[in-house]
Formats: sequence, C-alpha cells, structure tokens
Amino acid sequence: AQSVTQPDIHITVSEGASLELRCNYSYGATPYLFWYVQSPGQGLQLLLKYFSGDTLVQGIKGFEAEFKRSQSSFNLRKPSVHWSDAAEYFCAVGAKAGTALIFGKGTTLSVSS
Amino acid sequence: EPEVTQTPSHQVTQMGQEVILRCVPISNHLYFYWYRQILGQKVEFLVSFYNNEISEKSEIFDDQFSVERPDGSNFTLKIRSTKLEDSAMYFCASSLGGGELFFGEGSRLTVL
Repeated sequence: AQSVTQPDIHITVSEGASLELRCNYSYGATPYLFWYVQSPGQGLQLLLKYFSGDTLVQGIKGFEAEFKRSQSSFNLRKPSVHWSDAAEYFCAVGAKAGTALIFGKGTTLSVSS
Repeated sequence: EPEVTQTPSHQVTQMGQEVILRCVPISNHLYFYWYRQILGQKVEFLVSFYNNEISEKSEIFDDQFSVERPDGSNFTLKIRSTKLEDSAMYFCASSLGGGELFFGEGSRLTVL
C-alpha cells in the first residue's frame, strides 16, 4: 500500500532564509508525486507535481522539488522564504492517473521576521 | 480560472441528522473525489467517482456515507446519520484524469 511520511510536524524559518520540507513515500513503482499548500481556512492548492522525466520540478511561488528514487524522497525547497509562505504543506502520492491521492500528515511552516 | 465550488461553507447539525454536502466540479473533469480533514489532522481520502460509479473508497466510507452525481454538474456527499466524529472539513476535488486533483475550499461540518 502507498504511504507518505512527512517527518517534520512544524518548522520555523526566518524570512529570507532557505527552506526544505521533507517527504518520503512508500510505493513499488514510480508514483505520481505532489506538493499541496493549505493556508488557514482555505482549500488545497497545488504547488508542483512529478510524473516522470526531469527529477527537479519547478512549481508556483518559487518552489521546487527533487525526486530521488534511491531515497524514496520528494523534498520541497525554496531558496528564500517570504512571510506569506506560512501555511500547512502536504506531500501526496498517487499510483496512476485518476486514482486517489494519499496525503502525508503535513508540515506547518511558520516564518519569523 | 475554473474552480471547484462547494456548498455550504459551514454546516452545524445535530447528531443523528442527515447532511448533504454539495460540490460543483470543474466542468470538463471526469473524476470526482471526497476527502475529509479532522481539525489538525491529515487529509484523508473517502471516495472517488468515475463514469457514474464509485471507483475507490476507503475504510472510512462506510454505509453511513453515499455519493451521487444527480445531474451533469453537481456531486454530492450524503452522511445518513451524523456522529460527533464526523465533524471535519470535507473537501471535494476533481480531475481530468491526468493525476492532478483540483480542490474546493471545503465544507466545515460541525456535529453537536
């Protein structure tokens, strides 16, 4: 069965500092991988996705993620965090197109000034 | 930009009452989903729907739950007899089938 682990429950980063949020997945083949962001009281917005090809994917709001098959990881990065990036971040995995996504427990990002 | 819309945004109900949550998926999408998020917890898959039938469901989606696409635009989640533990944010999502899900802003259900 698929599963997603986000080891960090809460991370605090200074504004302007770099960010890396960790995500590990368990799945037999190459899964579809996603990062979603949820601001308080809001729905889930897609940041980026990986299906195949180049293992470094670019997303919206300056985020990027790197798929590492050997480590079963899909970590999210941003070189310089803005206060507006404070939110809940969810990593998700899907087996194939059309199937349900399985979400990790999320990482809460706080940004300090 | 097309979006998934959900109504109501917040519903308060008494335990044992029936609740229907409504969703209007993006118009050309083919796959429809319901997820829930209990306060402070992870987003959990409930059910997916394709070609007018359930394609997948989780253990959470028991006989108290049902889904329907009554017309060409709406997708509903019915909870037959609500329990306190059904209190959560319920998210509808839709997909063209390419893998990416588009989520609505959610319906908060409070069961008293």
